Amino acid sequence: GQNIDQPTEMTATEGAIVQINCTYQTSGFNGLFWYQQHAGEAPTFLSYNVLDGLEEKGRFSSFLSRSKGYSYLLLKELQMKDSASYLCAPTRDYKLSFGAGTTVTVRA
Amino acid sequence: GAVVSQHPSRVICKSGTSVKIECRSLDFQATTMFWYRQFPKQSLMLMATSNEGSKATYEQGVEKDKFLINHASLTLSTLTVTSAHPEDSSFYICSARQPRGASEAFFGQGTRLTVV
Repeated sequence: GQNIDQPTEMTATEGAIVQINCTYQTSGFNGLFWYQQHAGEAPTFLSYNVLDGLEEKGRFSSFLSRSKGYSYLLLKELQMKDSASYLCAPTRDYKLSFGAGTTVTVRA
Repeated sequence: GAVVSQHPSRVICKSGTSVKIECRSLDFQATTMFWYRQFPKQSLMLMATSNEGSKATYEQGVEKDKFLINHASLTLSTLTVTSAHPEDSSFYICSARQPRGASEAFFGQGTRLTVV
């Protein structure tokens, strides 16, 4: 099985930076996805990490440490539209399993 | 980028009836598709893996006779919720990945099922 742990909620101010941590225990680990999900909508792809290190993509960056079973998603220059749930999804045998998600609320 | 289309987006059905949900990969061939269910304020739970030309693989606790999956072609998988009950009301989402090594899993738009 997989144990995926990420904070339930985070609040930040517009323009600030927020880091969402995710720890996991996954056998047969292939890689880790981060998805954004707005209420009532399907998840939207943000990033995919296979190797250790930081992947930067515009305002969003994702980090992976395979040996530690740890990843984080970094959101910079927060905008109101970034208020959403962020899902950490390690993969095993190419199947995605999702954490409970972190609800990020951006305040003006 | 690749697109996965799911239909219908919303459906309301009477208790005891069956509902079919379609998931199509529009510009790539998906030998494997995944079906998830999401209850309000909860995460996506993998229900089953749909394999083209063979039987689906169900996760523990998911009734295969209740949630029928058919993956008859490389671009279409269907999920049929049989004898639906109000507790089956949920958000059902499919996803597909391009062949092994591809770095992104694409999701359909999701289907909001309400059983009354």
